[in-house]
Amino acid sequence: EDQVTQSPEALRLQEGESSSLNCSYTVSGLRGLFWYRQDPGKGPEFLFTLYSAGEEKEKERLKATLTKKESFLHITAPKPEDSATYLCAVQDDSGGGADGLTFGKGTHLIIQP
Amino acid sequence: DAGVTQSPTHLIKTRGQHVTLRCSPISGHKSVSWYQQVLGQGPQFIFQYYEKEERGRGNFPDRFSARQFPNYSSELNVNALLLGDSALYLCASSPLWRSYNSPLHFGNGTRLTVT
Repeated sequence: EDQVTQSPEALRLQEGESSSLNCSYTVSGLRGLFWYRQDPGKGPEFLFTLYSAGEEKEKERLKATLTKKESFLHITAPKPEDSATYLCAVQDDSGGGADGLTFGKGTHLIIQP
Repeated sequence: DAGVTQSPTHLIKTRGQHVTLRCSPISGHKSVSWYQQVLGQGPQFIFQYYEKEERGRGNFPDRFSARQFPNYSSELNVNALLLGDSALYLCASSPLWRSYNSPLHFGNGTRLTVT
């Protein structure tokens, strides 16, 4: 059974204070690892897909990296508008037919001005 | 372009009742997936439909069912509602069956409260 564990559960930073969010995963075979951002009362918004260890992707102040056991979402010089819950999800290659993602519980990030 | 639209946005039902939630995917997207998100948790996979056929099912009881229509819109039905069914129900669409090479686009969900 696929498992995704995110840490910390909550993180409060000052504006401009860089940090990293962690996503540890266990899958039989990784098809893809996904990062989403979710604002209160909204659906998740896609950020990145990572496919293999060593891969990195960047978007504005965010950079996602992937190893064989975990992924990090690095936030550089965050702004208050970066406040949200960040969700990590995996898709395995079990081929059983179910094409659903397995999500972690998310990291609730607050950036204070 | 319009994103994924879900209706209704909020719903209050009583235990034992039945509920139908609706989803319209992004134009051109043929795959629709349903997820349940309980407060404080990540979304949990319920169903995936592609070209009107069920392609995947998560670990949910038979009280949950879904279907996809010729225009690719979808309905999620839940029978005999329990208090534990209270959650945000998310619909997501993608152009392809395998979403690892075409990420899911989520709607803003239907907030279901069961009393």
